[in-house]
Amino acid sequence: QSALTQPASVSGSPGQSITISCTGTSSDVGGYNYVSWYQQHPGKAPKLMIYDVSNRPSGVSNRFSGSKSGNTASLTISGLQAEDEADYYCSSYTSSSFVVFGGGTKLTVL
Amino acid sequence: EVQLVESGGGLVQPGRSLRLSCAASGFTFDDYAMHWVRQAPGKGLEWVSGISWNSGSIGYADSVKGRFTISRDNAKNSLYLQMNSLRAEDMALYYCAKDAAVGAMEYYFDYWGQGTLVTVSS
Repeated sequence: QSALTQPASVSGSPGQSITISCTGTSSDVGGYNYVSWYQQHPGKAPKLMIYDVSNRPSGVSNRFSGSKSGNTASLTISGLQAEDEADYYCSSYTSSSFVVFGGGTKLTVL
Repeated sequence: EVQLVESGGGLVQPGRSLRLSCAASGFTFDDYAMHWVRQAPGKGLEWVSGISWNSGSIGYADSVKGRFTISRDNAKNSLYLQMNSLRAEDMALYYCAKDAAVGAMEYYFDYWGQGTLVTVSS
């Protein structure tokens, strides 16, 4: 069960858009539409932001969007705001067990 | 309001055991699969184990298979994690998380507890 691959960090200025990638294999990201994304602020529990690749839970801003191509999923945040600064994790169903997470990406809003 | 409250964490010596509990409220517990996710200090999230609503489907991460056992008591609205043969690398904040789908596993988590800290040290 290797973790999904995410960039360690990304950054952007307020108002800009950023994209975080999440690369797996055909046994996880590429094989199923069970990709989700979580936001975690320091000292807080994770919060679900995207599920089933591109669906937003009620209450999550439409500035957050998800997509997938092949074995790589992506989270895009448009109109960056200071409060978006956090760690972001992707996860996917995997045929080898149930769930695998990415290593996490630290988003810095400059 | 959905609430998940973990307990049972603490300091334990390598090789010993610990049992975590998660008390659930604010939703129909026996409709949903439940999971344990952990986070080592300063590290990322790691899925540990999951159990379906009726305990008919259970899964474990390779890192804990054979040492940890997940269970649930629907009559008590509670989830458990029995951790045996603990190692230094098991030291983490353990979160209880609710699966989002009714009656099935959707493998994403819409509610999380605040976690219980497990420290493994001699």
